[in-house]
Amino acid sequence: GAGVSQSPRYKVAKRGQDVALRCDPISGHVSLFWYQQALGQGPEFLTYFQNEAQLDKSGLPSDRFFAERPEGSVSTLKIQRTQQEDSAVYLCASSLALNSGGYTFGSGTRLTVV
Amino acid sequence: DQQVKQNSPSLSVQEGRISILNCDYTNSMFDYFLWYKKYPAEGPTFLISISSIKDKNEDGRFTVFLNKSAKHLSLHIVPSQPGDSAVYFCAASAPDSWGKLQFGAGTQVVVTP
Repeated sequence: GAGVSQSPRYKVAKRGQDVALRCDPISGHVSLFWYQQALGQGPEFLTYFQNEAQLDKSGLPSDRFFAERPEGSVSTLKIQRTQQEDSAVYLCASSLALNSGGYTFGSGTRLTVV
Repeated sequence: DQQVKQNSPSLSVQEGRISILNCDYTNSMFDYFLWYKKYPAEGPTFLISISSIKDKNEDGRFTVFLNKSAKHLSLHIVPSQPGDSAVYFCAASAPDSWGKLQFGAGTQVVVTP
């Protein structure tokens, strides 16, 4: 596709529910990042993939957060037993190569946990 | 700990004038700096970047200045246009971090007619 596509755009989850957020990066992009953006804050790093390898998951807030990219293309961020503090916009970004400059971000998924 | 700080949450500027956005960082390992622009309900869009080996980078109306000794960078937009109204994020990365970006909290710019 022309850009990074994320779905769903909006998700309302009841506390305790599991959610899955999808990211379709630009075709051929090797690097893929997930960021979490709380209201009024800048994006915060969650995890990084190079192809299918998850090379850095140091930003994942807890073991309830899990990300995968099994075929080196589409990625899914899963949050188990959602809590209110998980409410945020989840952004996915991809780039052709590491440190190649500005990554292309998707429009994000706004998660609201009620 | 916030390693990248944008201390001005908002900035109002008249159309045609210069917008100056500031950013400070604490991590001396940062060697690459970027500015992103974000409209509501959209993801951040890359604007301009600078490597630590330079002190200035210019792209059309946008210029980024880097002062390594002060750990400070700024973005100048000249002349400001109504379409520049957006939130601007400063970001930085270190060489050993897989290109992971540390973002500031953003500055909301409003360009008035």
